[in-house]
Amino acid sequence: EDKVVQSPLSLVVHEGDTVTLNCSYEVTNFRSLLWYKQEKKAPTFLFMLTSSGIEKKSGRLSSILDKKELSSILNITATQTGDSAIYLCAVASGGSYIPTFGRGTSLIVHP
Amino acid sequence: GAGVSQSPSNKVTEKGKDVELRCDPISGHTALYWYRQRLGQGLEFLIYFQGNSAPDKSGLPSDRFSAERTGESVSTLTIQRTQQEDSAVYLCASSLLAGVGNEQFFGPGTRLTVL
Repeated sequence: EDKVVQSPLSLVVHEGDTVTLNCSYEVTNFRSLLWYKQEKKAPTFLFMLTSSGIEKKSGRLSSILDKKELSSILNITATQTGDSAIYLCAVASGGSYIPTFGRGTSLIVHP
Repeated sequence: GAGVSQSPSNKVTEKGKDVELRCDPISGHTALYWYRQRLGQGLEFLIYFQGNSAPDKSGLPSDRFSAERTGESVSTLTIQRTQQEDSAVYLCASSLLAGVGNEQFFGPGTRLTVL
């Protein structure tokens, strides 16, 4: 059974801090790893990673995949209160059309 | 509206009643997914459609749950004889095609509360 574990489960920081969120996985025939940001109810897509060592970047957010370590990190620099959300990691494997989601990391950024 | 829409946004029902949740995917998206998210938990896959067919129903928790899709568009998730453990946010997502590499766009969800 595919498994995705995120850490930490929750994180509280102050504006301006840098945070690193972790996602590790155990899947058969890995295809891609996806990061989502969930505010209120609807997750919104952040990144899709398929190749090891290639950083994806969008503004203050960046992410990289390490296939050797079966993990990915999501970095947020100079955090803002608007970054407060649950960050979900999902892994898609070749045997299924459905990605397996982790439980998420709840990030709270205080002013 | 270009995004995925769901209705109702909130539903409160009594135990034992049936409920219908609706999802309107992005126009042209052939794949549609239903997930359930209990408080403090991750996304739990329920069912997905490719066109109007549901190749994978493995996530449906019991025979009280069913879903259909018509016209390769709107989908309805029906929960019969609701139980308190059905209380959750039900999320719908669509993608251009089913499968790896196709980004899923999520709707705002329906929060179901069973009293």
